[in-house]
Amino acid sequence: AQRVTQPEKLLSVFKGAPVELKCNYSYSGSPELFWYVQYSRQRLQLLLRHISRESIKGFTADLNKGETSFHLKKPFAQEEDSAMYYCALSPFQGGSEKLVFGKGTKLTVNP
Amino acid sequence: DVKVTQSSRYLVKRTGEKVFLECVQDMDHENMFWYRQDPGLGLRLIYFSYDVKMKEKGDIPEGYSVSREKKERFSLILESASTNQTSMYLCASNLGVGGNTEAFFGQGTRLTVV
Repeated sequence: AQRVTQPEKLLSVFKGAPVELKCNYSYSGSPELFWYVQYSRQRLQLLLRHISRESIKGFTADLNKGETSFHLKKPFAQEEDSAMYYCALSPFQGGSEKLVFGKGTKLTVNP
Repeated sequence: DVKVTQSSRYLVKRTGEKVFLECVQDMDHENMFWYRQDPGLGLRLIYFSYDVKMKEKGDIPEGYSVSREKKERFSLILESASTNQTSMYLCASNLGVGGNTEAFFGQGTRLTVV
């Protein structure tokens, strides 16, 4: 079975500090990994996916297959980064791509 | 611009009522999903559908059923609402073809069962 673990429910940092949101997964195959973000009173939206290898809003995430991790990082946090962050996994199973989420980490960036 | 629209933002229903939550997407997506979102529990998959009339159970299907008669519409049904089904319900869809799994979400329906 697929599982996504986000060990921190809450994470609080000061503006300008580095931030790392942890995500570990369990899946025997080759999944696709995502980070989704939900700002206050907005709908859940994609932040980034490991396939695209992009940096979005200063965030990056590297898939480490050896450690089965996909941690989200940003070198200098901003107050507008305060939001709920979810790590998600999609296992390729030939035509049916179920999307499984972690429990989420609430990030607060203090001024 | 992909649009996933849920029919209600807020619903209040009585225990034992049959409740329908509707979701419509306008981008011809193959896959559609229903999640419930609870503080500390994240998003838990209730059901998903990968084609018209096709469905699979997610992690917490008990007390729920779904219907997908048309590609663009995916309905979540609470057969007999109970107070422990008070939650935020999120609908999502993705293209699904060729491994394009980016999901687009609706605005959510906050259901309160009294």
